[in-house]
Amino acid sequence: GAGVSQSPSNKVTEKGKDVELRCDPISGHTALYWYRQRLGQGLEFLIYFQGNSAPDKSGLPSDRFSAERTGESVSTLTIQRTQQEDSAVYLCASSLGGSTNYGYTFGSGTRLTVV
Amino acid sequence: QQQVKQSPQSLIVQKGGISIINCAYENTAFDYFPWYQQFPGKGPALLIAIRPDVSEKKEGRFTISFNKSAKQFSLHIMDSQPGDSATYFCAASFTDKLIFGTGTRLQVFP
Repeated sequence: GAGVSQSPSNKVTEKGKDVELRCDPISGHTALYWYRQRLGQGLEFLIYFQGNSAPDKSGLPSDRFSAERTGESVSTLTIQRTQQEDSAVYLCASSLGGSTNYGYTFGSGTRLTVV
Repeated sequence: QQQVKQSPQSLIVQKGGISIINCAYENTAFDYFPWYQQFPGKGPALLIAIRPDVSEKKEGRFTISFNKSAKQFSLHIMDSQPGDSATYFCAASFTDKLIFGTGTRLQVFP
């Protein structure tokens, strides 16, 4: 597609439930990133996929968070046993390669609310 | 060392005025400094970027000033317009991962 697509755009879930967030990057973009944006705060790095390399998971806040990517296409971010502090906008971005050469293109995000 | 500190948190400017947002970093290995603009309900979009081998980069009304010795960089928006009202994020990287500042909410009043 023309841009990065994220679904759902909004998700309300009960505390303790698992959620899956989906990201469809721009075709041909080898790099894919997940960031978390809490209300009124900056973008917090979660995880980075680059081609077939092992993902950089250094930003995942706990073992309740995991992400997968199939080849150079779709990625899913899974949050298990959701907590209220997980409420945030989850942003996905893709890039042709490393950010020092190419800018990120962000999706519009998934707004997650844990009640 | 991985942080990028951004100020102010919010900024109100009159139409036609100059908006200035500042960022500071510690890690001297950073070699790429972009600014992103985010409108409500949208993801951030790349606005302008600079590398540390230049002190200034201008694109239309937007200018990045870079001070390598002070480890600071700033975004200047000349002739600010109501349509510039958005949240602005500075960022820095030295690998493939961007570290973002905490954001500045800019409001431009007519």
